[in-house]
Amino acid sequence: DTEVTQTPKHLVMGMTNKKSLKCEQHMGHRAMYWYKQKAKKPPELMFVYSYEKLSINESVPSRFSPECPNSSLLNLHLHALQPEDSALYLCASSLKLASGTGELFFGEGSRLTVL
Amino acid sequence: AQTVTQSQPEMSVQEAETVTLSCTYDTSESDYYLFWYKQPPSRQMILVIRQEAYKQQNATENRFSVNFQKAAKSFSLKISDSQLGDAAMYFCAYRSPKAAGNKLTFGGGTRVLVKP
Repeated sequence: DTEVTQTPKHLVMGMTNKKSLKCEQHMGHRAMYWYKQKAKKPPELMFVYSYEKLSINESVPSRFSPECPNSSLLNLHLHALQPEDSALYLCASSLKLASGTGELFFGEGSRLTVL
Repeated sequence: AQTVTQSQPEMSVQEAETVTLSCTYDTSESDYYLFWYKQPPSRQMILVIRQEAYKQQNATENRFSVNFQKAAKSFSLKISDSQLGDAAMYFCAYRSPKAAGNKLTFGGGTRVLVKP
């Protein structure tokens, strides 16, 4: 199993809603990532988890709240988002931090639209 | 800070022909990793090929090969015998072994169109 699975694939939410994005992998990877990608732009790193602990927060607004309940699962909780937060949110995993090339395996992303 | 530049926003290639995508980067480090990722309309980023800077030999993966010129800080991707399924956005990426969180620095991307 070399898959990173993200749900939902599409999400539309209002600015007062609370929703969550989910990411799951069963490759035994111990590093997991959230990226944000705007149209026609490269992905931008948001958060990195290593062994279920938050390792990197790239100065992301607090309306985005990550959670890593176990080594296979990564969530991104969304609250009071703005229309400019509309984007593709990509989850990725790697074997662990600072290991060899650090190849990332990406999911298909969750397309978020904030109205 | 490292930067990655992809100077071609879009490239078009005839099916079965060859196309080369350019990538240049700026770094003061001698040890690092370079990647080409493909993002088709399905949105999933897929690793196409990777190169360790300490390896002089250019990496090859089936129809994909790179021309790694370390002194020139250039890392171009050649797609041979192009297929319709190669149509996608291609991102060049750099990673320092010292980068916190395995952080990748991406180029702006090159869209590849394949004509039947």
